[in-house]
Amino acid sequence: DGGITQSPKYLFRKEGQNVTLSCEQNLNHDAMYWYRQDPGQGLRLIYYSQIVNDFQKGDIAEGYSVSREKKESFPLTVTSAQKNPTAFYLCASSIVQGYNEQFFGPGTRLTVL
Amino acid sequence: DAKTTQPPSMDCAEGRAANLPCNHSTISGNEYVYWYRQIHSQGPQYIIHGLKNNETNEMASLIITEDRKSSTLILPHATLRDTAVYYCIVRANNNAGNMLTFGGGTRLMVKP
Repeated sequence: DGGITQSPKYLFRKEGQNVTLSCEQNLNHDAMYWYRQDPGQGLRLIYYSQIVNDFQKGDIAEGYSVSREKKESFPLTVTSAQKNPTAFYLCASSIVQGYNEQFFGPGTRLTVL
Repeated sequence: DAKTTQPPSMDCAEGRAANLPCNHSTISGNEYVYWYRQIHSQGPQYIIHGLKNNETNEMASLIITEDRKSSTLILPHATLRDTAVYYCIVRANNNAGNMLTFGGGTRLMVKP
């Protein structure tokens, strides 16, 4: 089955702890993205990557970090510097060229206690 | 990328057509109109996109006005499973990284 997976579905952490969210895709897509969604709001772009070992900040990158060591994987770390980390986090991937759709994972709901 | 305006919510009776409007009055010539939907607590799902011609696929139809300042997504026979938030997005063909900018969307409630 081709697709994009995120784990875990629900994640709880104590305030002040860093936490890493997993995103894996087997669609052979070059581009991957991380979005944040707050209740009743649209998605906001955190980071994106068009190629291995390269990534760019999105609109709300402060307090987050990413890596892209493999084409299939784009983990997101929510650091203690992120002031309000509780949110729904969505990962997506796409072909870079053209007007192609983004494929989204099921999301991880992070709650910081 | 141009900004879009959508009504925050709409209702539709099951089996009837759902017509979801989107205004994008500042759209430029190289920007496409995309529609995605998000069922509660899931990732968004691509529906359809177009430039200036009307488009149809197995999920929906997209009608774009001649001046391209607005569009309508049509779900011809809405079912309860079509209840979701529908996002209208415009994206330039030179948008670095194929990024999408999501607004608030329209929350469609399909009722029996």
